[in-house]
Amino acid sequence: AQSVTQPDARVTVSEGASLQLRCKYSYSGTPYLFWYVQYPRQGLQLLLKYYSGDPVVQGVNGFEAEFSKSNSSFHLRKASVHWSDSAVYFCVLSASSGSWQLIFGSGTQLTVMP
Amino acid sequence: GPKVLQIPSHQIIDMGQMVTLNCDPVSNHLYFYWYKQILGQQMEFLVNFYNGKVMEKSKLFKDQFSVERPDGSYFTLKIQPTALEDSAVYFCASSRGANTGQLYFGEGSKLTVL
Repeated sequence: AQSVTQPDARVTVSEGASLQLRCKYSYSGTPYLFWYVQYPRQGLQLLLKYYSGDPVVQGVNGFEAEFSKSNSSFHLRKASVHWSDSAVYFCVLSASSGSWQLIFGSGTQLTVMP
Repeated sequence: GPKVLQIPSHQIIDMGQMVTLNCDPVSNHLYFYWYKQILGQQMEFLVNFYNGKVMEKSKLFKDQFSVERPDGSYFTLKIQPTALEDSAVYFCASSRGANTGQLYFGEGSKLTVL
C-alpha cells in the first residue's frame, strides 16, 4: 500500500537558521513526489515537484528537496528560513501508475521564531 | 496566482440534512477533485471528476455523496443525508492536466454535522 510519513508534527526554528523537514514514502513503483505548503487561511500551494532525473529539485522561495530511492525519502530543505515561512508543509505522493489519488502525509507545522 | 474558491467556508447542519459544498475552480482547468480532512488526521482523496464523469473515487466516497458540475458552473459535492462522521474540512482542487499532481486547492469548507 502507498503511504507517506512525516515524522515531525511540529518544527520550530529561529529566523536565519537552516531547515530540513523529513518525509518518507512507501510505494513499490516509480513515485511522483511533491511538497505542498498551506499558509494560514489559504489553500494548499505547490512548492516543488519531482518526477524523475536530478534527485535535487528546486522550488519557490529558496526551498529544495532531495529524492532518495534507496532511503525512500524526499526531505525538504532551506538554507535560511524567514518568519514568513511559518506554515504547514505536506509531503505528497502520486502513483505513476495512473491513479488520480494524491497520498498526503500528516503535515509538519513549521514555526519560525523572529 | 490562480485561485480556487469554495463556498461556504463553514456550515453547521443537523444530521440527516442535505448539504451542498460549492467550488469555483480555476477557469481553464478540466480536472476537479474533492479531498476530506478530519480534524487531526491526514487529508484523504474522495473523488476526481472530468468531462462530466467521476474518474476515480475512494472508499470514503459513500453512496450518500455525489458530485456534478452543471453547465460549467460550480463543481459541487452533495451529501444526502449527512452523518456525524461527515464532519470534516472538505478541500476542492482543480488541475489543467491529468494525473500530474499539480493541483490548485481552495481554502476548504468546514462542515459540522450535529
